[in-house]
Amino acid sequence: DQQVKQNSPSLSVQEGRISILNCDYTNSMFDYFLWYKKYPAEGPTFLISISSIKDKNEDGRFTVFLNKSAKHLSLHIVPSQPGDSAVYFCAASVAWGQNFVFGPGTRLSVLP
Amino acid sequence: NAGVTQTPKFQVLKTGQSMTLQCAQDMNHNSMYWYRQDPGMGLRLIYYSASEGTTDKGEVPNGYNVSRLNKREFSLRLESAAPSQTSVYFCASSIDRGGSSQFFGPGTRLTVL
Repeated sequence: DQQVKQNSPSLSVQEGRISILNCDYTNSMFDYFLWYKKYPAEGPTFLISISSIKDKNEDGRFTVFLNKSAKHLSLHIVPSQPGDSAVYFCAASVAWGQNFVFGPGTRLSVLP
Repeated sequence: NAGVTQTPKFQVLKTGQSMTLQCAQDMNHNSMYWYRQDPGMGLRLIYYSASEGTTDKGEVPNGYNVSRLNKREFSLRLESAAPSQTSVYFCASSIDRGGSSQFFGPGTRLTVL
């Protein structure tokens, strides 16, 4: 049973619009969350993180929102650009420095 | 500064054959990791090494062994490959166990026939 779920395998968005990628988790002990971005034939690269003491973290065009009561987080990309087309993985751990559990990923396509 | 390098990029094995996947990092990181990625699933941790001289099992260690050869290098060995080990393997490193600092290599695509 997957502890970290990304229920949308793929998402298409027009350039300039907002992309919203969702992630749900089942383990209430998860306390620290990451988003990674992966291009084809490359390894994942770290994008943004959030810990449970916050409900929002922003870095440029990327914002992550955390709703602990709903066990849900989302990544917002505004405005979306064609170079954002990639697979996005959500990951969670029970504490900083502990092993991460990854979701299956969502493939984002930003259309020009 | 190459970051994390993995060799080989591609490999095809027959069932029962053995091989070692190599990983090296030049960032002076303490921690290193091996993951596998399968279709429809996220990255799953096979083994990790929190620091030079230590290794620990991750989520899916069966069928694998690892060696932290020195601070730079962390190898993954398949002693007797099985078709279920067909996957893409990623090595990663981080300065400590904190997840936000994990840097990944480009991956090795392994097919076991």
